[in-house]
Amino acid sequence: EAGVVQSPRYKIIEKKQPVAFWCNPISGHNTLYWYRQNLGQGPELLIRYENEEAVDDSQLPKDRFSAERLKGVDSTLKIQPAELGDSAVYLCASSLVPSAPYEQYFGPGTRLTVT
Amino acid sequence: GDSVTQMEGPVTLSEEAFLTINCTYTATGYPSLFWYVQYPGEGLQLLLKATKADDKGSNKGFEATYRKETTSFHLEKGSVQVSDSAVYFCALKSGAGGFKTIFGAGTRLFVKA
Repeated sequence: EAGVVQSPRYKIIEKKQPVAFWCNPISGHNTLYWYRQNLGQGPELLIRYENEEAVDDSQLPKDRFSAERLKGVDSTLKIQPAELGDSAVYLCASSLVPSAPYEQYFGPGTRLTVT
Repeated sequence: GDSVTQMEGPVTLSEEAFLTINCTYTATGYPSLFWYVQYPGEGLQLLLKATKADDKGSNKGFEATYRKETTSFHLEKGSVQVSDSAVYFCALKSGAGGFKTIFGAGTRLFVKA
């Protein structure tokens, strides 16, 4: 079974430029998460989808971040414009349902460097 | 709000040494508790979990016991290997928290041959 797929793996951009990350969850997983992991820290949730609906986006900086999950499968996270402080690893995860104890499966992440 | 505190790293051990990584939590309700491991260049992988008080999660020689009275979920392994070198994250998830997984800051483990 294929795991969570993310692309690109690495991205270097200049500040004020736009950037987008793509995630393909495990087949059949209804719940999709985007996390940001700053250096030396644990992941922090940005947004959670259940099917097509964003059910928790309270931590998403909506002035510059946006996300979509069309058709309830793939998802894209966008930053426009990027700032120096956005440098981090962006992780996508998926699970069958959101409730514990169902575990989340994580992708390898996209490491973003903003210069 | 819910939170997880784990011991700061890095932790450096020799091969075959005993490992303990401390984790304590604050949560409303009755959370499920998890340990995730992140190997270099890879995403987080679930290592073990426990869903109620006194449960013991175990996997690959690692184990942790859900202690409600001390709000702890310490990770232990009797004999570490070089291949165990990674970052370990303690985490919790509760329905009262909206099913949001809260992660600790992570503890980096180095195991020397």
